[in-house]
Amino acid sequence: GAGVSQSPRYKVAKRGQDVALRCDPISGHVSLFWYQQALGQGPEFLTYFQNEAQLDKSGLPSDRFFAERPEGSVSTLKIQRTQQEDSAVYLCASSPGPARGNTIYFGEGSWLTVV
Amino acid sequence: DAKTTQPNSMESNEEEPVHLPCNHSTISGTDYIHWYRQLPSQGPEYVIHGLTSNVNNRMASLAIAEDRKSSTLILHRATLRDAAVYYCILRDLSGGGADGLTFGKGTHLIIQP
Repeated sequence: GAGVSQSPRYKVAKRGQDVALRCDPISGHVSLFWYQQALGQGPEFLTYFQNEAQLDKSGLPSDRFFAERPEGSVSTLKIQRTQQEDSAVYLCASSPGPARGNTIYFGEGSWLTVV
Repeated sequence: DAKTTQPNSMESNEEEPVHLPCNHSTISGTDYIHWYRQLPSQGPEYVIHGLTSNVNNRMASLAIAEDRKSSTLILHRATLRDAAVYYCILRDLSGGGADGLTFGKGTHLIIQP
């Protein structure tokens, strides 16, 4: 596809359940970002990949959050033992190269509700 | 990234120009001014960016103050589809490695028909 694709679009999880959110970046894009957006707030940075290397995971809120991009394309954000405060939109974004200042393209997000 | 300050919300009428202000008094010489917007139920999208000179593209214009401590995003003729949250973001292009975006709360733009 032409843009960043995320799935599932909507997910309802019971508290304590594990979830996996998938991101297909724009083909050929080197950089991949994950953001978390709570209701009424701006997106907050979670983690950054350059190809398959996770170069920055400073924004991951706890060790229950784990992200991977094993072949440098598709990425998965996994949340273990979900809690209600994990309810948010999870946005994936990609950009063409590793350089600073490249335009960043966002997907539509995965809406997670933990009940 | 240096901090930006934007009004929480603004309201405008359809087919009229809209001026969205952003203050960034602590901007450094290597900071570029970027604007992204987020339509309802969508991810953010790039609008425009600039360093010192005013910039125009098909979506909007960016007017940058001479001292660079403030800027204004201008939508020349707002439509209902421009209703969104607009984020003003500073990006430091010095140094190596890709930079993520640091979002504030942005300005919620309401367009009245």
